[in-house]
Amino acid sequence: QVQLVESGGGVVQPGRSLRLSCAASGFTFSNYGMHWVRQAPGKGLEWVAVIWYDGTNKYYADSVKGRFTISRDNSENTLYLQMNSLRAEDTAVYSCARGGYYFDSSAPSDYWGQGTLVTVSS
Amino acid sequence: EIVLTQSPVTLSLSPGERATLSCRASQNINRYLAWFQQKPGQAPRLLIYDASNRATDIPVRFSGSGSGTDFTLTISSLEPEDFAVYYCQQRSNWPITFGQGTRLEIK
Repeated sequence: QVQLVESGGGVVQPGRSLRLSCAASGFTFSNYGMHWVRQAPGKGLEWVAVIWYDGTNKYYADSVKGRFTISRDNSENTLYLQMNSLRAEDTAVYSCARGGYYFDSSAPSDYWGQGTLVTVSS
Repeated sequence: EIVLTQSPVTLSLSPGERATLSCRASQNINRYLAWFQQKPGQAPRLLIYDASNRATDIPVRFSGSGSGTDFTLTISSLEPEDFAVYYCQQRSNWPITFGQGTRLEIK
């Protein structure tokens, strides 16, 4: 069965960096686009970034562009989110989610992880 | 950025009733709209993609319609497990965006 397990969250000071990981299993990871989505405590869903199945295309929310970088290692079935210059408003649960197959990589997510909490606070 | 506005913010209905949720886009998104359901403490669940296609294992009481800027999610007869928050999402233009959500609560 498809499993997505995030790790790397924690408490970090404003301006610092953090890298999140998402370990995928139960499907051919290299065939699917992957998303990061976040949800601040008590708030709605906010899309963060997507990466194409082969890593060739990456797109970001305006709120994180230039600070966050999405990447993947298809040999390790792992998705990453490098978060730099963190701000208090980046505090949220970050979830990875499977996108679409091959060139439909941005398709809406049919499988989601449970998320990892990132708290940005001094 | 395309803004998705969901209405109502909260919908109070009883089991067995019909629910109609709306999502309006700030510009034409063709049919690139999805609907998600989220229950407390759970990951979102994909219900509908490309405006009207039910995702795998989604009950037939869930249906989606619309194109362009106006979309609707209909739940034909509410079951107790349907009370949750519902989000629409567009992928027509970058960045992908979500609506603010509609809370469907038991009356």
